[in-house]
Amino acid sequence: ETGVTQTPRHLVMGMTNKKSLKCEQHLGHNAMYWYKQSAKKPLELMFVYSLEERVENNSVPSRFSPECPNSSHLFLHLHTLQPEDSALYLCASSRQGVDSPLHFGNGTRLTVT
Amino acid sequence: GESVGLHLPTLSVQEGDNSIINCAYSNSASDYFIWYKQESGKGPQFIIDIRSNMDKRQGQRVTVLLNKTVKHLSLQIAATQPGDSAVYFCAEMLSNTGNQFYFGTGTSLTVIP
Repeated sequence: ETGVTQTPRHLVMGMTNKKSLKCEQHLGHNAMYWYKQSAKKPLELMFVYSLEERVENNSVPSRFSPECPNSSHLFLHLHTLQPEDSALYLCASSRQGVDSPLHFGNGTRLTVT
Repeated sequence: GESVGLHLPTLSVQEGDNSIINCAYSNSASDYFIWYKQESGKGPQFIIDIRSNMDKRQGQRVTVLLNKTVKHLSLQIAATQPGDSAVYFCAEMLSNTGNQFYFGTGTSLTVIP
């Protein structure tokens, strides 16, 4: 069982909806990430939080808004999404400062209608 | 940005045979590499990692080889089993970007019983 838990597992939303994805890590890590996984594409880094401060924002549209209230929790708030935003959204955590792998959750499968 | 690529998008092997999955990377400054396995409906799962000061590292039924001269990484799976069927992809970390990882698109491994 993964030490990184994501909810919901599946989400269908209309373009005018507001929803949030939740991630929780139980590994004692100090960095958390949001990645987007689309078919036949490499994982795309969206946001990185290190010690609860956002340190990376890879030119992600403002309709995606991250929140990291503490080192164990990460949210991705969604608003006015487009159909092309349909994808698997993966949360990951790691220990920053050392060579350490990312540990992923099982993702939220998002479909925008 | 950097790109990490895989030579073959699909690979089929007979159960019991050895599998070799390859990965090329482009930045000689990369100093940490990871192999992930992703099964259908799940997030990427850490398999094995290797640092640039090593050429080879072995785990349980898996071996990672690193050839820094040609910037090539491979994953060898011994005695491949049906449970090994998944998408495998490599990731590289560039030391000058902190803990930012770059991922390949993946190779889909199918084990034929």
